[in-house]
Amino acid sequence: DTAVSQTPKYLVTQMGNDKSIKCEQNLGHDTMYWYKQDSKKFLKIMFSYNNKELIINETVPNRFSPKSPDKAHLNLHINSLELGDSAVYFCASSQDFAIRAGELFFGEGSRLTVL
Amino acid sequence: DAKTTQPPSMDCAEGRAANLPCNHSTISGNEYVYWYRQIHSQGPQYIIHGLKNNETNEMASLIITEDRKSSTLILPHATLRDTAVYYCIDDAGNMLTFGGGTRLMVKP
Repeated sequence: DTAVSQTPKYLVTQMGNDKSIKCEQNLGHDTMYWYKQDSKKFLKIMFSYNNKELIINETVPNRFSPKSPDKAHLNLHINSLELGDSAVYFCASSQDFAIRAGELFFGEGSRLTVL
Repeated sequence: DAKTTQPPSMDCAEGRAANLPCNHSTISGNEYVYWYRQIHSQGPQYIIHGLKNNETNEMASLIITEDRKSSTLILPHATLRDTAVYYCIDDAGNMLTFGGGTRLMVKP
């Protein structure tokens, strides 16, 4: 069973569209994250939710809206897509927000291409 | 922004030890050092972390200098499947920011 699963794996869309990426973890973790990996392979945190509550929002345009219906799911909705949004988006989870005490489990990534 | 410095690439012969260095000269006393790796087209995978003592697990060993300004990740017997980008990260503010990493190429 996949611990952290994301769908879709690939997404190609036009500028201006709205799209969503879904993430689910079956590890029983309390904290989930969204990371963005750009073309230079730098991986930066975007959001973190702990028990469905937003705890990190790292200077991300408000076209990006995370939603956590329960602690096993963290979805990412993007409005009015722009060319610069093209990237690989990774979902991750950890047992709790005390990262120092644990490790992050990452999904396989969702490659978004905006044309 | 990443506060660690790693060489952009390294080669290692299969079966030999791979020693990957990392400088984290601005690390604070209570910040851990984490190592992850990313195999092509996959998500990052946790390897090991440490504060000031050396650590070992089934994947690797982590050697941290006494002044904590640098560390070395050791893969004792590298295999072709260890070819990946290896990231050294400090956990400033409970956030993990991944820099460019070291691209390790294990060669037969």
